Amino acid sequence: GESVGLHLPTLSVQEGDNSIINCAYSNSASDYFIWYKQESGKGPQFIIDIRSNMDKRQGQRVTVLLNKTVKHLSLQIAATQPGDSAVYFCAENYHNYGQNFVFGPGTRLSVLP
Amino acid sequence: EPEVTQTPSHQVTQMGQEVILRCVPISNHLYFYWYRQILGQKVEFLVSFYNNEISEKSEIFDDQFSVERPDGSNFTLKIRSTKLEDSAMYFCASSETRGNYGYTFGSGTRLTVV
Repeated sequence: GESVGLHLPTLSVQEGDNSIINCAYSNSASDYFIWYKQESGKGPQFIIDIRSNMDKRQGQRVTVLLNKTVKHLSLQIAATQPGDSAVYFCAENYHNYGQNFVFGPGTRLSVLP
Repeated sequence: EPEVTQTPSHQVTQMGQEVILRCVPISNHLYFYWYRQILGQKVEFLVSFYNNEISEKSEIFDDQFSVERPDGSNFTLKIRSTKLEDSAMYFCASSETRGNYGYTFGSGTRLTVV
Protein backbone atom coordinates (compact mmCIF):
# COMPACT_ATOMS: atom_id res chain seq x y z
CA GLY A 1 0.00 0.00 0.00
CA GLU A 2 0.90 3.65 -0.15
CA SER A 3 3.24 4.96 2.46
CA VAL A 4 2.37 8.55 3.22
CA GLY A 5 4.24 10.76 5.59
CA LEU A 6 7.46 8.82 6.09
CA HIS A 7 8.78 11.37 8.54
CA LEU A 8 5.61 12.13 10.45
CA PRO A 9 5.43 12.31 14.22
CA THR A 10 4.11 9.01 15.45
CA LEU A 11 1.86 8.21 18.37
CA SER A 12 1.84 4.62 19.52
CA VAL A 13 -0.95 3.45 21.81
CA GLN A 14 -2.09 0.14 23.18
CA GLU A 15 -5.33 -1.24 21.85
CA GLY A 16 -8.11 -0.20 24.15
CA ASP A 17 -6.35 2.89 25.46
CA ASN A 18 -7.43 6.42 24.62
CA SER A 19 -5.48 8.42 22.03
CA ILE A 20 -4.95 12.15 21.91
CA ILE A 21 -3.65 13.70 18.71
CA ASN A 22 -2.72 17.37 18.73
CA CYS A 23 -2.60 20.02 16.08
CA ALA A 24 -1.50 23.65 16.11
CA TYR A 25 -3.26 25.67 13.45
CA SER A 26 -1.88 28.72 11.78
CA ASN A 27 -4.52 31.38 11.36
CA SER A 28 -6.40 33.00 14.23
CA ALA A 29 -9.14 33.96 11.74
CA SER A 30 -9.89 30.32 10.89
CA ASP A 31 -13.47 29.54 11.76
CA TYR A 32 -13.94 25.93 10.76
CA PHE A 33 -11.81 22.88 11.43
CA ILE A 34 -11.90 19.26 10.36
CA TRP A 35 -10.04 16.16 11.41
CA TYR A 36 -9.28 13.75 8.59
CA LYS A 37 -8.06 10.17 8.75
CA GLN A 38 -5.89 8.84 5.95
CA GLU A 39 -5.27 5.14 5.65
CA SER A 40 -2.53 3.77 3.48
CA GLY A 41 -3.39 4.07 -0.20
CA LYS A 42 -6.55 6.07 0.40
CA GLY A 43 -7.66 9.66 0.36
CA PRO A 44 -8.41 11.68 3.49
CA GLN A 45 -11.61 10.62 5.19
CA PHE A 46 -13.72 13.06 7.22
CA ILE A 47 -13.90 12.19 10.92
CA ILE A 48 -15.31 15.17 12.76
CA ASP A 49 -15.56 18.92 12.42
CA ILE A 50 -15.91 21.90 14.74
CA ARG A 51 -16.70 25.57 14.25
CA SER A 52 -14.96 28.36 16.05
CA ASN A 53 -18.03 29.19 18.15
CA MET A 54 -17.60 25.86 19.95
CA ASP A 55 -14.81 24.47 22.07
CA LYS A 56 -15.83 20.82 22.12
CA ARG A 57 -17.69 18.45 19.87
CA GLN A 58 -18.28 14.76 20.29
CA GLY A 59 -18.88 12.02 17.80
CA GLN A 60 -18.85 8.29 18.03
CA ARG A 61 -15.69 7.44 20.03
CA VAL A 62 -14.11 10.74 18.96
CA THR A 63 -14.01 14.16 20.55
CA VAL A 64 -12.51 17.31 19.13
CA LEU A 65 -11.38 20.12 21.42
CA LEU A 66 -10.66 23.62 20.18
CA ASN A 67 -8.63 26.17 22.10
CA LYS A 68 -8.71 29.39 20.12
CA THR A 69 -6.55 31.24 22.62
CA VAL A 70 -3.53 29.15 21.74
CA LYS A 71 -4.71 28.03 18.28
CA HIS A 72 -4.78 24.39 19.23
CA LEU A 73 -6.97 21.47 18.22
CA SER A 74 -6.97 18.00 19.61
CA LEU A 75 -8.61 14.78 18.57
CA GLN A 76 -9.39 12.26 21.26
CA ILE A 77 -10.15 8.68 20.27
CA ALA A 78 -11.66 6.51 22.97
CA ALA A 79 -10.84 2.81 23.24
CA THR A 80 -8.47 2.87 20.30
CA GLN A 81 -8.81 -0.06 17.93
CA PRO A 82 -6.43 -1.53 15.32
CA GLY A 83 -8.60 -0.02 12.60
CA ASP A 84 -7.76 3.42 13.93
CA SER A 85 -4.16 3.07 12.75
CA ALA A 86 -3.71 5.76 10.14
CA VAL A 87 -2.35 9.25 9.58
CA TYR A 88 -4.52 11.98 11.08
CA PHE A 89 -4.61 15.50 9.71
CA CYS A 90 -6.27 18.60 11.04
CA ALA A 91 -7.46 21.07 8.43
CA GLU A 92 -8.53 24.68 8.85
CA ASN A 93 -10.64 26.95 6.74
CA TYR A 94 -10.07 30.68 6.98
CA HIS A 95 -12.13 32.15 4.21
CA ASN A 96 -15.67 32.50 5.30
CA TYR A 97 -17.61 30.30 2.92
CA GLY A 98 -14.40 29.73 0.97
CA GLN A 99 -13.26 26.41 -0.37
CA ASN A 100 -9.62 26.25 0.58
CA PHE A 101 -8.65 24.01 3.49
CA VAL A 102 -5.15 24.23 4.88
CA PHE A 103 -3.93 20.91 6.17
CA GLY A 104 -1.59 20.34 9.07
CA PRO A 105 1.46 18.09 8.73
CA GLY A 106 -0.24 14.97 10.12
CA THR A 107 0.39 12.47 12.90
CA ARG A 108 0.72 8.76 12.39
CA LEU A 109 -1.26 6.74 14.93
CA SER A 110 -0.01 3.22 15.48
CA VAL A 111 -2.18 0.91 17.57
CA LEU A 112 -0.27 -1.85 19.30
CA PRO A 113 -1.96 -5.19 20.03
CA GLU B 1 -22.00 5.09 0.18
CA PRO B 2 -21.26 7.49 -2.70
CA GLU B 3 -17.62 7.73 -3.69
CA VAL B 4 -15.32 10.01 -5.62
CA THR B 5 -13.56 7.88 -8.21
CA GLN B 6 -10.14 8.66 -9.59
CA THR B 7 -8.30 7.08 -12.51
CA PRO B 8 -5.66 5.92 -13.01
CA SER B 9 -4.47 4.95 -9.56
CA HIS B 10 -0.87 5.27 -10.69
CA GLN B 11 0.56 7.11 -13.69
CA VAL B 12 4.18 7.22 -14.75
CA THR B 13 5.18 9.86 -17.27
CA GLN B 14 8.31 11.31 -18.73
CA MET B 15 9.35 14.83 -17.84
CA GLY B 16 7.90 17.31 -20.29
CA GLN B 17 4.93 15.16 -21.20
CA GLU B 18 1.33 16.16 -20.66
CA VAL B 19 -0.82 14.19 -18.26
CA ILE B 20 -4.53 14.21 -17.57
CA LEU B 21 -5.81 12.95 -14.24
CA ARG B 22 -9.44 11.97 -14.17
CA CYS B 23 -12.06 12.14 -11.49
CA VAL B 24 -15.73 11.30 -11.27
CA PRO B 25 -17.20 13.35 -8.40
CA ILE B 26 -20.29 12.33 -6.47
CA SER B 27 -23.22 12.83 -8.79
CA ASN B 28 -25.22 15.48 -6.91
CA HIS B 29 -22.17 17.48 -5.86
CA LEU B 30 -21.60 20.88 -7.40
CA TYR B 31 -18.19 21.88 -6.09
CA PHE B 32 -14.99 20.15 -7.15
CA TYR B 33 -11.43 20.33 -5.95
CA TRP B 34 -7.93 19.10 -6.58
CA TYR B 35 -5.36 18.70 -3.83
CA ARG B 36 -1.94 17.15 -3.97
CA GLN B 37 0.33 15.46 -1.45
CA ILE B 38 4.03 15.12 -2.12
CA LEU B 39 5.37 12.02 -0.40
CA GLY B 40 6.10 12.74 3.23
CA GLN B 41 4.43 16.16 3.16
CA LYS B 42 1.06 17.66 3.94
CA VAL B 43 -1.99 17.78 1.70
CA GLU B 44 -1.99 21.02 -0.32
CA PHE B 45 -4.86 22.80 -2.02
CA LEU B 46 -4.58 23.31 -5.77
CA VAL B 47 -7.89 24.52 -7.13
CA SER B 48 -11.64 24.63 -6.62
CA PHE B 49 -14.21 24.64 -9.40
CA TYR B 50 -17.86 25.56 -9.53
CA ASN B 51 -20.32 26.37 -12.26
CA ASN B 52 -17.76 25.56 -14.95
CA GLU B 53 -15.14 27.94 -13.71
CA ILE B 54 -12.31 28.11 -11.24
CA SER B 55 -13.40 29.71 -7.99
CA GLU B 56 -10.11 29.58 -6.10
CA LYS B 57 -6.60 28.47 -6.86
CA SER B 58 -3.32 28.33 -4.99
CA GLU B 59 0.14 29.49 -5.96
CA ILE B 60 0.96 25.93 -6.94
CA PHE B 61 -1.71 26.02 -9.65
CA ASP B 62 0.30 27.91 -12.26
CA ASP B 63 -0.10 28.10 -16.03
CA GLN B 64 1.02 24.50 -16.41
CA PHE B 65 -2.17 23.33 -14.71
CA SER B 66 -5.71 23.42 -15.98
CA VAL B 67 -9.01 21.86 -14.99
CA GLU B 68 -12.03 20.97 -17.00
CA ARG B 69 -15.42 19.43 -16.62
CA PRO B 70 -15.80 18.07 -20.13
CA ASP B 71 -19.16 16.42 -19.54
CA GLY B 72 -21.70 15.93 -16.80
CA SER B 73 -19.67 13.47 -14.80
CA ASN B 74 -15.91 13.90 -15.24
CA PHE B 75 -13.59 16.47 -13.71
CA THR B 76 -10.03 16.50 -15.01
CA LEU B 77 -6.71 17.99 -14.02
CA LYS B 78 -4.21 18.52 -16.82
CA ILE B 79 -0.54 19.21 -16.36
CA ARG B 80 0.84 20.49 -19.64
CA SER B 81 4.55 19.83 -19.30
CA THR B 82 5.34 17.74 -16.27
CA LYS B 83 8.35 18.38 -14.07
CA LEU B 84 10.03 16.04 -11.65
CA GLU B 85 8.63 18.04 -8.74
CA ASP B 86 5.09 17.35 -9.95
CA SER B 87 5.48 13.81 -8.65
CA ALA B 88 2.87 13.45 -5.91
CA MET B 89 -0.48 11.95 -4.98
CA TYR B 90 -3.26 14.00 -6.53
CA PHE B 91 -6.60 13.90 -4.76
CA CYS B 92 -9.88 14.95 -6.24
CA ALA B 93 -12.71 15.94 -3.91
CA SER B 94 -16.27 17.13 -4.24
CA SER B 95 -18.89 18.73 -2.04
CA GLU B 96 -22.61 19.27 -2.29
CA THR B 97 -22.71 22.82 -1.06
CA ARG B 98 -20.59 25.91 -0.98
CA GLY B 99 -19.44 27.09 2.37
CA ASN B 100 -17.18 25.59 4.88
CA TYR B 101 -18.18 22.00 5.07
CA GLY B 102 -15.99 18.99 4.63
CA TYR B 103 -15.69 17.29 1.31
CA THR B 104 -15.39 13.72 0.10
CA PHE B 105 -11.98 12.79 -1.25
CA GLY B 106 -11.12 10.18 -3.83
CA SER B 107 -8.38 7.64 -3.28
CA GLY B 108 -5.92 9.59 -5.35
CA THR B 109 -3.71 9.18 -8.39
CA ARG B 110 -0.03 8.66 -7.79
CA LEU B 111 1.84 10.61 -10.44
CA THR B 112 5.47 9.71 -10.96
CA VAL B 113 7.48 11.91 -13.31
CA VAL B 114 10.73 10.33 -14.50
